[in-house]
Amino acid sequence: GAVVSQHPSWVICKSGTSVKIECRSLDFQATTMFWYRQFPKQSLMLMATSNEGSKATYEQGVEKDKFLINHASLTLSTLTVTSAHPEDSSFYICSATDLSGANVLTFGAGSRLTVL
Amino acid sequence: DAKTTQPTSMDCAEGRAANLPCNHSTISGNEYVYWYRQIHSQGPQYIIHGLKNNETNEMASLIITEDRKSSTLILPHATLRDTAVYYCIVRVDRSNFGNEKLTFGTGTRLTIIP
Repeated sequence: GAVVSQHPSWVICKSGTSVKIECRSLDFQATTMFWYRQFPKQSLMLMATSNEGSKATYEQGVEKDKFLINHASLTLSTLTVTSAHPEDSSFYICSATDLSGANVLTFGAGSRLTVL
Repeated sequence: DAKTTQPTSMDCAEGRAANLPCNHSTISGNEYVYWYRQIHSQGPQYIIHGLKNNETNEMASLIITEDRKSSTLILPHATLRDTAVYYCIVRVDRSNFGNEKLTFGTGTRLTIIP
């Protein structure tokens, strides 16, 4: 089945630095990818919709200048957390759909960010 | 998309069938019921989905009531690895599904007891 790969699976950084998380669709192309964030003991919250070749669409309350999304190819979307602070520490998960396959939304394994 | 209601938590004995209920009383005629689960510190995993007929795959069975206002996910022989949070999601299954997001509720935390 469709596989979505995320890298890194976990990252620790200092406050004020930027962190990039990659999301790749393996063996299928994805014009659209979704980025979610999950805080401990809470459900997944959609942050933004990443569109290949165009600007991402952000959910209400998500700062687009802080969470930069780039979807430069049909198999790669990146999320950059700029000037990270401890409150940005969270589990970030991306997802995509293989429209030529089972046509269900497939999620990556997630990336755990800890900002010190 | 219609809202769903699930119990916060459930326990099930290992080897027994786990039956997870979901209420979606405001579901529309063109909305599907999807089930995902999330094992601790992993991304959600697709389980099954259906419109009005009962569905079965290698992971689970989905029973949807005739009025479609509720459904039950059945894990026929629960194992310890089935311990996870299970999410019931209702959404329209458009042809361009790839551009449609999923909205997660709080789900049911299922614990399989040895």
